[in-house]
Amino acid sequence: EPEVTQTPSHQVTQMGQEVILRCVPISNHLYFYWYRQILGQKVEFLVSFYNNEISEKSEIFDDQFSVERPDGSNFTLKIRSTKLEDSAMYFCASSRDRHQETQYFGPGTRLLVL
Amino acid sequence: AQTVTQSQPEMSVQEAETVTLSCTYDTSESDYYLFWYKQPPSRQMILVIRQEAYKQQNATENRFSVNFQKAAKSFSLKISDSQLGDAAMYFCAYRRDGRGGSEKLVFGKGTKLTVNP
Repeated sequence: EPEVTQTPSHQVTQMGQEVILRCVPISNHLYFYWYRQILGQKVEFLVSFYNNEISEKSEIFDDQFSVERPDGSNFTLKIRSTKLEDSAMYFCASSRDRHQETQYFGPGTRLLVL
Repeated sequence: AQTVTQSQPEMSVQEAETVTLSCTYDTSESDYYLFWYKQPPSRQMILVIRQEAYKQQNATENRFSVNFQKAAKSFSLKISDSQLGDAAMYFCAYRRDGRGGSEKLVFGKGTKLTVNP
């Protein structure tokens, strides 16, 4: 069964450093999402992406964040200058259709900012 | 804004017994989707079951079923014949119909389910 994959599974970085989180969505899916979950808290929406454009973003997704689909298979989330409060689990999700389809989640990347 | 409330931070059940997890939501929309996701200790988000708001029939997936009460804006998850592998964090999530609007998932805070042998 096709699944969403994410790399790395864990990343430790220093405050102020740039990180890139990578996702490979399910191959025939067209809509892509990033969510994050701070330890012990609910899962929060960051951004949705379709047709090489951001279709929606939350208040969390400020200028420090960017997304890209560089090569038709990968979907990346970049944090330009990490802060301590960016420490969280980051989930990528994809869906085939915007209107009805379920979003399928990857296993997540655990980011720790020191 | 849509909100999802899970009023039970923790629940426990004996193996082979049945447990019900509660979820309520607030929306002014008439078309939307509701989901239960399971998050085991590995922290991966796994879809358990989904319900379309326009369907009156409650969704069922093997041992998992929902009680969807649209007027009451309630969406509870029933797990029958509980197994040790069901132990996890369970998140209720809402998504409005994507036509002309947001497709983002709005999550509740989760219910931690413990299954006792």
